[in-house]
This record gives sequence, C-alpha cells and structure tokens, in this order.
Amino acid sequence: DGGITQSPKYLFRKEGQNVTLSCEQNLNHDAMYWYRQDPGQGLRLIYYSQIVNDFQKGDIAEGYSVSREKKESFPLTVTSAQKNPTAFYLCASSVLAGAVGYEQFFGPGTRLTVL
Amino acid sequence: QQQVKQSPQSLIVQKGGISIINCAYENTAFDYFPWYQQFPGKGPALLIAIRPDVSEKKEGRFTISFNKSAKQFSLHIMDSQPGDSATYFCAASRTGNNRKLIWGLGTSLAVNP
Repeated sequence: DGGITQSPKYLFRKEGQNVTLSCEQNLNHDAMYWYRQDPGQGLRLIYYSQIVNDFQKGDIAEGYSVSREKKESFPLTVTSAQKNPTAFYLCASSVLAGAVGYEQFFGPGTRLTVL
Repeated sequence: QQQVKQSPQSLIVQKGGISIINCAYENTAFDYFPWYQQFPGKGPALLIAIRPDVSEKKEGRFTISFNKSAKQFSLHIMDSQPGDSATYFCAASRTGNNRKLIWGLGTSLAVNP
C-alpha cells in the first residue's frame, strides 16, 4: 500500500523534554510538510522540504526542528523551547510544491500531549 | 494575515439538505483552489479542486462554484448525509516553484439524521 505513516499515534511528554515524531512516505514524493492543528486554528505550517538535505521554515517554526536525510523520511523534533506543544501534528507529502494542481497527501497524525 | 477567509466556522444541516461553505481570497495570482475533508482523528484528504478557467466543477454530490471577479469560491454538498459530517478546509495556491498551499481555518459540518 502506498501512503504516509506517522508514529506514534499518541505521545505524552513531560515538560522540558524533546520528542521526535516520525513521518515516512512511500509515494516517491519530493516534497514533505509538517503541520500543527489546534482547534479553530486550521492547519499551520511548521516546516517543509522540497529535496533531501534541504528544508524551509513555515509560519510557526520556533521550537521545532526537522531533518531530511532520506527522501522517504521527514522527522519532526519538538524541543523544550516550544512553549505550548500540545497539539495534533500532521505530516504530508506531495510532488514538488507549486506544480500544476498538486495534491498534498496526509498521514493519520500524531497527538502530542505535554503533561 | 489571513489570505484565505473561510465561513462559516460551523454548520448544522439536516439530512438531505444542502451544505454551503464559502471562501474568499485576496491574492489574484492564486490559480488553484482545493477543498479538503477531514474526519475526526484523521488527516485531511483532497475532496475536489478547481482552477480559475472554469466557474463550476462537480463531482458527485460535491460542487465547487468559483467567482473570479469577487475572489470567492464555495463548496456545495447536495443531499447532505450524516457521513458527510467532517471538517472542511478550503485552500489556495499559485503555480510556480516552491508555492505553498494557503489554508482557510476550516468549517465543522454536522449533518443531522
């Protein structure tokens, strides 16, 4: 099956700890994205990557970090500098952003709760 | 700065009725307007999309109407069903290198049986 997997589905973190969310895709997509979703605030872009070993900040990158060492993988680290990390995190992938009529495919999400 | 404004925030419709969600955009360079559907606890999925060279696109019970002069586009769900209960997001982007999707804030639709 082609698609995007995210793990874990639920994650609990103590304040002051860094945590890493996993995102893997087997769609052979060049672009990958991380979004944060909070009630009533839609989808806010954290980071995105168009090519291996390159990524750009989105609208709310502070307190987050990413890497793109492989085309298939785009892990997100929520650092202790993120002041309010409790949220639903979504990973997506697509053909190159800005291609004609491109579609973003989303994973099932990870719900992070800070205790 | 919200470049894509979506309304209403929430919507309740009776089974068999028509659900209408509206979006307005500011950037006249946008040339791609998708709608995504998200069920609780799941990731969004593309529902239907339109480009500005047509004023309407229909796929089954779902129709996008596009008004270029007013810079507005809307999603119509005909014969709404309880299974349509979900959050709907409109978005916009422009073709070109490294162009991101700009998202509306979403509309929570509940279809009562």
